[in-house]
Amino acid sequence: GENVEQHPSTLSVQEGDSAVIKCTYSDSASNYFPWYKQELGKRPQLIIDIRSNVGEKKDQRIAVTLNKTAKHFSLHITETQPEDSAVYFCAASIKGANNLFFGTGTRLTVIP
Amino acid sequence: GAGVSQSPSNKVTEKGKDVELRCDPISGHTALYWYRQRLGQGLEFLIYFQGNSAPDKSGLPSDRFSAERTGESVSTLTIQRTQQEDSAVYLCASSLNSGTYNEQFFGPGTRLTVL
Repeated sequence: GENVEQHPSTLSVQEGDSAVIKCTYSDSASNYFPWYKQELGKRPQLIIDIRSNVGEKKDQRIAVTLNKTAKHFSLHITETQPEDSAVYFCAASIKGANNLFFGTGTRLTVIP
Repeated sequence: GAGVSQSPSNKVTEKGKDVELRCDPISGHTALYWYRQRLGQGLEFLIYFQGNSAPDKSGLPSDRFSAERTGESVSTLTIQRTQQEDSAVYLCASSLNSGTYNEQFFGPGTRLTVL
């Protein structure tokens, strides 16, 4: 099955700085890579996703990049704000499968 | 509209007892998933339902775990003879259809504590 690894486990940045979270996956058949944000005590919510036929996707202050050859993908948050503080999970889905394989999460703290 | 709901929000039980967790998916969503989230860990897939098809049970950790779904509505996850290692948050998600690209919408979870 798929194995998703995520780094770092914790990340602290000053407000206004950028944050980068990296994930690797093992199964070359994976073709969908969503990122979820989970605020303290709340449910995970999708913030951005990327399919394997593109290398980068942006949505305002967040972007995701995908390197299929190296089997890694990254989340980039620019101009961080305190409300970006949360746990972020990357995930991968294998083509034809229905479930997501999640990374272990990154706790991001944005210091005002 | 209403999102995915789960009940109870918290459940404390004694080792060896059975527990039943409930999930109400978003109306019209044909696919439903159960995940387990241990403290400080990622989400671990348990089981998937799609319409009237046979469920994908490949993630269930032992035969003490089972789940049912009535048509395209409510699902229940049952854990028999609970063990302390079953303590976790159990999250349910639903998506409009099956397939790779369908966004999964998560419920608030049930926090299970086995004493």
